[in-house]
Amino acid sequence: DGGITQSPKYLFRKEGQNVTLSCEQNLNHDAMYWYRQDPGQGLRLIYYSQIVNDFQKGDIAEGYSVSREKKESFPLTVTSAQKNPTAFYLCASSIERRGPLHFGNGTRLTVT
Amino acid sequence: QKEVEQNSGPLSVPEGAIASLNCTYSDRGSQSFFWYRQYSGKSPELIMSIYSNGDKEDGRFTAQLNKASQYVSLLIRDSQPSDSATYLCAVNDLTNTGNQFYFGTGTSLTVIP
Repeated sequence: DGGITQSPKYLFRKEGQNVTLSCEQNLNHDAMYWYRQDPGQGLRLIYYSQIVNDFQKGDIAEGYSVSREKKESFPLTVTSAQKNPTAFYLCASSIERRGPLHFGNGTRLTVT
Repeated sequence: QKEVEQNSGPLSVPEGAIASLNCTYSDRGSQSFFWYRQYSGKSPELIMSIYSNGDKEDGRFTAQLNKASQYVSLLIRDSQPSDSATYLCAVNDLTNTGNQFYFGTGTSLTVIP
């Protein structure tokens, strides 16, 4: 079945460590996105990519980095520069310019 | 910054009733509108897309769009306890750097058996 796979589901890290969240899709979608969700808040855009080897900053890109070396993969690195990294991270993709987002199951990151 | 506003709720309705969820958006040029359902601890699930003014029905769900008023709503008929979730409104914006989506903070719905 086609879909978006995020791994791991839960991730625990010590403060000061970088951590990479995986996102893989087999939907043949061109556009991929990373969102962050905090309790009681909406989804906030971190980075997005419309094509391979190109990506754009979203509203809260500081402290994060991404790469898009393959169409299927869009990993997100949470660096030690991110002040409040504990959150629910959602990867999504879209095939059409006006089409909806399709989400992976999310990664819940806890940094202590 | 594009804004998408929703009543946070919580909204409670009895089983079998109609639940009405509302959303307003700030960008008059927005073209595509979506409703997602999110259960606690899970990722959002697409339930409706609407692109043109008027109503769009899918089973127990009806999305209504009024671009002149910058308003989109979701009606859930014959509400079931399994409909209890947070409902997110999303608006799509085409820019010269790509396709961006903006989300409201969600409306929490509880259907009481």
